[in-house]
Amino acid sequence: GAGVSQSPSNKVTEKGKDVELRCDPISGHTALYWYRQRLGQGLEFLIYFQGNSAPDKSGLPSDRFSAERTGESVSTLTIQRTQQEDSAVYLCASSLAAGIYEQYFGPGTRLTVT
Amino acid sequence: GENVEQHPSTLSVQEGDSAVIKCTYSDSASNYFPWYKQELGKRPQLIIDIRSNVGEKKDQRIAVTLNKTAKHFSLHITETQPEDSAVYFCAASKTGGYQKVTFGIGTKLQVIP
Repeated sequence: GAGVSQSPSNKVTEKGKDVELRCDPISGHTALYWYRQRLGQGLEFLIYFQGNSAPDKSGLPSDRFSAERTGESVSTLTIQRTQQEDSAVYLCASSLAAGIYEQYFGPGTRLTVT
Repeated sequence: GENVEQHPSTLSVQEGDSAVIKCTYSDSASNYFPWYKQELGKRPQLIIDIRSNVGEKKDQRIAVTLNKTAKHFSLHITETQPEDSAVYFCAASKTGGYQKVTFGIGTKLQVIP
């Protein structure tokens, strides 16, 4: 079956512009996570959604970052007024439910802010 | 919240030798400990996991051990091969309430042929 997909795969944007990143989770997966991975660094948790519960936004680095998810389907991560330090790979993952289930990662979106 | 520490950050071994990566966690309620492997330029993938009701789990050349009393768990790779070269992430999570998965910082393993 189809895995987690993300779009775009690469995004180059000018400093100050807004960007929107998209994640399509595996069908039936109720949990969805966003991570940021800077070059050569670890997985920095941003936000997670679990079904209809309020999302855990505790990892969002600033109010320029926001994310939405419609039901148990597509999620979008929006970065407003991008800064150079936002340059990274943004990974999305989904799992059957939160916590004790395998996370399936998407291929990521490589964001470059010039 | 949970805090997961992982070490070493980098590890070089000769092909055929064993590699051990260690992690500690802070939340005694954590009961699920997965390990992910991320090859260069690729996405992380689960390679093995362990739940708190067992102390050890093996899958061919990889094994994970868990010490709940000490709150640490380790990944063991035996007879390392060049294709084992990657970054390995440990993680911890739990059932009940919010179940955010907390990752360690990663260990870059290099297997020297």
